[in-house]
Amino acid sequence: NAGVMQNPRHLVRRRGQEARLRCSPMKGHSHVYWYRQLPEEGLKFMVYLQKENIIDESGMPKERFSAEFPKEGPSILRIQQVVRGDSAAYFCASSPRGGGLNTEAFFGQGTRLTVV
Amino acid sequence: DQQVKQNSPSLSVQEGRISILNCDYTNSMFDYFLWYKKYPAEGPTFLISISSIKDKNEDGRFTVFLNKSAKHLSLHIVPSQPGDSAVYFCAAIYRGFVFGPGTRLSVLP
Repeated sequence: NAGVMQNPRHLVRRRGQEARLRCSPMKGHSHVYWYRQLPEEGLKFMVYLQKENIIDESGMPKERFSAEFPKEGPSILRIQQVVRGDSAAYFCASSPRGGGLNTEAFFGQGTRLTVV
Repeated sequence: DQQVKQNSPSLSVQEGRISILNCDYTNSMFDYFLWYKKYPAEGPTFLISISSIKDKNEDGRFTVFLNKSAKHLSLHIVPSQPGDSAVYFCAAIYRGFVFGPGTRLSVLP
């Protein structure tokens, strides 16, 4: 039973390029969360998705960032025209439901984005 | 405005002693709380949880206490071991997961 899979583990992009980060949730999980961790900082919420729906994107920058979780396939976090400040570790988590008792989120290993 | 706060960015404890990590929250609608542990270059891993109807949950060396009236929870690790050195995140659920900023625990041999 594979856990949450994120790829790539490391991604290097030049300023102005696009970055695509993928997250395959655990089997049976229909809720996905994306978090960003800047160096020496904690986990910052970005977006919460269910299949084909964005539930909460209050943590997403208004420009250049988008996320989707299609009916089939992984969740994608897309960053257009990357800048140096986008360099961070991006973590994806999944859960079988959005809340309630005994709901744990399971994290992937993260994608470390470096913008040069 | 942070809904989940961990006011101590770091904590150092001697091996064998108790580690106490604290977490405060503001949203009274949170009904489930979790602690995660994170090593460098890895994703956070679930450690222990507690529902809002309880005030204590214990799992081996780890105990989580919840004080709803104070909107405060704490994680106790006893005895602390060097392998416990990591960043600990407190999280709360209402609709989705909200994480605190983390506390870096260093257990000194």
